[in-house]
Amino acid sequence: DTGVSQNPRHKITKRGQNVTFRCDPISEHNRLYWYRQTLGQGPEFLTYFQNEAQLEKSRLLSDRFSAERPKGSFSTLEIQRTEQGDSAMYLCASSPGTSGYQETQYFGPGTRLLVL
Amino acid sequence: EDQVTQSPEALRLQEGESSSLNCSYTVSGLRGLFWYRQDPGKGPEFLFTLYSAGEEKEKERLKATLTKKESFLHITAPKPEDSATYLCAVQKNSGGSNYKLTFGKGTLLTVNP
Repeated sequence: DTGVSQNPRHKITKRGQNVTFRCDPISEHNRLYWYRQTLGQGPEFLTYFQNEAQLEKSRLLSDRFSAERPKGSFSTLEIQRTEQGDSAMYLCASSPGTSGYQETQYFGPGTRLLVL
Repeated sequence: EDQVTQSPEALRLQEGESSSLNCSYTVSGLRGLFWYRQDPGKGPEFLFTLYSAGEEKEKERLKATLTKKESFLHITAPKPEDSATYLCAVQKNSGGSNYKLTFGKGTLLTVNP
């Protein structure tokens, strides 16, 4: 079990550019989550996938944000027309999705985004 | 709205000096309470899940307990390598399929040798 992986680990971009992050969940995990974490804060929920279906999006996720999980495997999070306020650590987590109750989420190392 | 409050915001201990971190929560129907450890620049690392009041779990120098309103993370005889931010999160039993976590801001623990 290699754990959740995220790429890239760091991204520096200029305001107005588009960026895309990738998350590879733990093998055979059906549920995948994206969170955002700013300095001194805990992670905040952005969106959630059950297999390939995106089931919930936070109101934190503006129209500039889009996430996909084709074929229920890896996921991508795209931010269009980046703003300085988008600077944060973007965390991906996955959970088995086989239990109706006990669902521990395992996090990846995160992608740190800096918008200049 | 679900709320998680952690205290203190920061805690500095001497090696071997035991202490506790607090996590107070407000949620309409708790499915689970989670403790994570986060080192600088890294993702949260899972420590414990607690599901019902009275439950306790231990791992090395850490022990987590749960009541109906709060959870404690007890650290016994800490070592410098225990220095990290400890995050508490709740998972709501909404009856739906979303298992999202609501996190507190964390407690930054520093253990001096």
